[in-house]
Amino acid sequence: GESVGLHLPTLSVQEGDNSIINCAYSNSASDYFIWYKQESGKGPQFIIDIRSNMDKRQGQRVTVLLNKTVKHLSLQIAATQPGDSAVYFCAEEGGGADGLTFGKGTHLIIQP
Amino acid sequence: SAVISQKPSRDICQRGTSLTIQCQVDSQVTMMFWYRQQPGQSLTLIATANQGSEATYESGFVIDKFPISRPNLTFSTLTVSNMSPEDSSIYLCSVGAFMAGREKLFFGSGTQLSVL
Repeated sequence: GESVGLHLPTLSVQEGDNSIINCAYSNSASDYFIWYKQESGKGPQFIIDIRSNMDKRQGQRVTVLLNKTVKHLSLQIAATQPGDSAVYFCAEEGGGADGLTFGKGTHLIIQP
Repeated sequence: SAVISQKPSRDICQRGTSLTIQCQVDSQVTMMFWYRQQPGQSLTLIATANQGSEATYESGFVIDKFPISRPNLTFSTLTVSNMSPEDSSIYLCSVGAFMAGREKLFFGSGTQLSVL
């Protein structure tokens, strides 16, 4: 069936570098996408979202890019810090009344 | 965003017993959901907790195994019944909050359940 997935389960970056976490989705009807951050022992925390009528949205140190042509979503974190270490999930919503469909998650590891 | 309190935060239970997880929100919300996150996995929606009516379950989840209550707009419970080791997971309560023209999901801190 249609699903949301991620290219890499683990991403290791040097502190201070930029991180790029990727996500592929297959539901062409999805019109809303969210990135969540889940630190160890905690629930997912909303980071940033984007609607399908946009291709880029910026927050504080984070940018989400959406490429609807290839059904690809990415999260860019600038100047990665130790506190960014977490599992990052993309999620998509197809416009129904149900909850979100989550991708598998990428574990971001920060090297000192 | 809503403040979501979930308890217990963790528990270790014996096979065959049941555990009820509580979710309290600091404001009235229309949409409340229960998710399961198995070890090292992503989140899977169990059901939508409907206020004043029976919960709506996703494929693979049934009311007898995961009974849900939603007595009002700020509170819900999820019971994991007749537990087995396969039920060892994190169970997460989430609420939908309408912000900036879109329903956004916010999560509690989860209940880490281990079944022996």
